[in-house]
Amino acid sequence: QQQVKQSPQSLIVQKGGISIINCAYENTAFDYFPWYQQFPGKGPALLIAIRPDVSEKKEGRFTISFNKSAKQFSLHIMDSQPGDSATYFCAASRSGGGKLIFGQGTELSVKP
Amino acid sequence: DVKVTQSSRYLVKRTGEKVFLECVQDMDHENMFWYRQDPGLGLRLIYFSYDVKMKEKGDIPEGYSVSREKKERFSLILESASTNQTSMYLCASSKREFGYDEQFFGPGTRLTVL
Repeated sequence: QQQVKQSPQSLIVQKGGISIINCAYENTAFDYFPWYQQFPGKGPALLIAIRPDVSEKKEGRFTISFNKSAKQFSLHIMDSQPGDSATYFCAASRSGGGKLIFGQGTELSVKP
Repeated sequence: DVKVTQSSRYLVKRTGEKVFLECVQDMDHENMFWYRQDPGLGLRLIYFSYDVKMKEKGDIPEGYSVSREKKERFSLILESASTNQTSMYLCASSKREFGYDEQFFGPGTRLTVL
């Protein structure tokens, strides 16, 4: 019940296209859903996060869509750029609980 | 600029050796975490600590121990390294404040056990 399942494992997108990464969770007590971005040789860094009181959050080209009834959330990267090439992790937690449960990661490659 | 530093970027050890991985944060964060990262498995929590001298097991604690003697420092110890502990190890920290859950990560230590 603590798992977060992420797909796809890898994704290749052309420059200017839309990248979509999906995650599903089981624990209905989760109330914080962040996405982390990791470049080669670096640690992950928070990209964008959402709480379940809204169904969508947008920051620039990055949007999280959240479906509470389906227990799913997704990251959309509009107008994908080669600089977006990185590994993306979704995660979930109970607010204030400290621990994050991470998905398996998606390696995104944006081709010029 | 917030910072989490790890003592080594690359480490090569032999089977059976005792291995120490050090992590230091300069943000006065209460929470600290150790993860291992393996392809296709994501980030798996080994141990975490909510306060000095406190520790709790994560999802994969077997073969590891931790030490937190000072607030800013969290050490991961492999008592007797084995080849299946070859991995990328990531340290992270966060504030203990309700509603604030962002974790800040170090650059990682790639450990190879021969």
